[in-house]
Amino acid sequence: SQQGEEDPQALSIQEGENATMNCSYKTSINNLQWYRQNSGRGLVHLILIRSNEREKHSGRLRVTLDTSKKSSSLLITASRAADTASYFCAFILYNFNKFYFGSGTKLNVKP
Amino acid sequence: DTEVTQTPKHLVMGMTNKKSLKCEQHMGHRAMYWYKQKAKKPPELMFVYSYEKLSINESVPSRFSPECPNSSLLNLHLHALQPEDSALYLCASLGPMNTEAFFGQGTRLTVV
Repeated sequence: SQQGEEDPQALSIQEGENATMNCSYKTSINNLQWYRQNSGRGLVHLILIRSNEREKHSGRLRVTLDTSKKSSSLLITASRAADTASYFCAFILYNFNKFYFGSGTKLNVKP
Repeated sequence: DTEVTQTPKHLVMGMTNKKSLKCEQHMGHRAMYWYKQKAKKPPELMFVYSYEKLSINESVPSRFSPECPNSSLLNLHLHALQPEDSALYLCASLGPMNTEAFFGQGTRLTVV
């Protein structure tokens, strides 16, 4: 069952621009994570934000979490062509080991 | 070693075949997962193993049969699959304190 939604579904930008993706989820979570997937292969962990945190940074990545609105956003600054991939939010339901993904955003960064 | 290794990378099987997918990790993670991913869709949870015991089955058809022989190994046995089962099958293990998940590169399965 779909536990999370992301928007936009697809995003096309020029190299150097910023990319913002949004994730909404339906239930209480332990933490929220963002993953990247290149060409339909394995997923790579990008960043984790805990339910008691509001914002986190890692390099060119900035993630925010609003538990009252059950939403998160991922900002990639100064995008590069190599950032072209699908991005998924993921979350573990509180007190369970269920690890679910949002619907994904396909990012295309044009050189 | 922070790798999750999945074999084979590609598999083509007929609807009457029996095959198995294998997943291995040596990070000491106690939660392991099988996901199914169709093209342009997010990974869909199938099974969760916690401490080598099946803890979650997301109403997966019995033609998929998971097995966890030990804490490092996870198998997915396939029998009498349908063409619509063709997908990328991903294995993952979850780090301690519910931190990041480590994913294998997946097995791309085609059922003919």
